[in-house]
Amino acid sequence: GAGVSQSPRYKVAKRGQDVALRCDPISGHVSLFWYQQALGQGPEFLTYFQNEAQLDKSGLPSDRFFAERPEGSVSTLKIQRTQQEDSAVYLCASSSRQAGGRDEQFFGPGTRLTVL
Amino acid sequence: SQQGEEDPQALSIQEGENATMNCSYKTSINNLQWYRQNSGRGLVHLILIRSNEREKHSGRLRVTLDTSKKSSSLLITASRAADTASYFCATDRGSSNTGKLIFGQGTTLQVKP
Repeated sequence: GAGVSQSPRYKVAKRGQDVALRCDPISGHVSLFWYQQALGQGPEFLTYFQNEAQLDKSGLPSDRFFAERPEGSVSTLKIQRTQQEDSAVYLCASSSRQAGGRDEQFFGPGTRLTVL
Repeated sequence: SQQGEEDPQALSIQEGENATMNCSYKTSINNLQWYRQNSGRGLVHLILIRSNEREKHSGRLRVTLDTSKKSSSLLITASRAADTASYFCATDRGSSNTGKLIFGQGTTLQVKP
């Protein structure tokens, strides 16, 4: 079956522009995570959804970052008024288990965002 | 902020040799996972070891976990050029109720043919 997909794969934005990044998780996966990976670093947690409920957004760096998963499947990460420090790869991951299930996460290929 | 550290940061070996990477973390965990990332690609799950396990094998991979020392190691035996990638350990903290992962900074492995 299909894995996690993300679009676009690459996005170049001018500083101040709004961007929207899409994640299609594996069908039926309850848990969805967003991570941010700076160049040469490990991924850092941004936010977590269980179905349509955003249960943890403690990793979002500022109120310019907003994520949603309205129907419990596809998720969108939106960044408003992008800044150069937002340049990174944004990774989406899904897992079949609900919170507390503790299972492996399946990652998408990521969206590489470059803010000029 | 990241959970722990991995060492070495970079490792270069010849094909056929074994590669060992270490990971240390700071807080209690539910499980520890190892992922591989090829350049410009997403992460691929390799192995998950739970806090009550001490060793796990998967093909040419062997993972150990020492919760008293808060450390783990990943051993790749008989390495191949295709093993060239970055390897990350990630912990699912005991205090977390979401399963979110805290990653280390990774070890870059180069296997020379």
